[in-house]
Amino acid sequence: DAGVIQSPRHEVTEMGQEVTLRCKPISGHNSLFWYRQTMMRGLELLIYFNNNVPIDDSGMPEDRFSAKMPNASFSTLKIQPSEPRDSAVYFCASSFSGGPTYEQYFGPGTRLTVT
Amino acid sequence: DAKTTQPNSMESNEEEPVHLPCNHSTISGTDYIHWYRQLPSQGPEYVIHGLTSNVNNRMASLAIAEDRKSSTLILHRATLRDAAVYYCILRDINNAGNMLTFGGGTRLMVKP
Repeated sequence: DAGVIQSPRHEVTEMGQEVTLRCKPISGHNSLFWYRQTMMRGLELLIYFNNNVPIDDSGMPEDRFSAKMPNASFSTLKIQPSEPRDSAVYFCASSFSGGPTYEQYFGPGTRLTVT
Repeated sequence: DAKTTQPNSMESNEEEPVHLPCNHSTISGTDYIHWYRQLPSQGPEYVIHGLTSNVNNRMASLAIAEDRKSSTLILHRATLRDAAVYYCILRDINNAGNMLTFGGGTRLMVKP
């Protein structure tokens, strides 16, 4: 398996622009997570899906952020409009919640820079 | 989920064992202890997990105190590639969604 795939790997955009981050989870996994990592706040869970349904979005910072999972093999995280404080590395992770370890597999991340 | 406390950083010599401590004094009976690590410029990766008994796998060993208020991740022979941030996380067994709350972790530096 190729693991969790994220695109783009790097994104540089100007303040006010819309940004869309993409994630393809590992085939067969039924849980998907979006995290954000910054030096100041560390690794934060933004939202979590189970069987394509958003279960907990309490970590989404504000209405400018939205996430969707239209099917089991694809998810997006959208920021509109983007702001410089959104600059961070965004990780997507997936897991199989029925497995023995509940291990989460992380993608390589998308480094977002908003100028 | 209950909180964990880890040292900010630790240093080790290459090819020597490393013991990474984690305190979780408020752990509940349904909390699993998970360890993840994050290598530079990569996403976190699972290392090991346990509930009550000590655990071994190809990457590391996990020693859990009898009262479960602390645990230690043991790398038997550190290599330069083990330099990473190590996170100790508690996950409630009733947390069917497998949500994880990451703290600051311990930054392990390995000297050649």
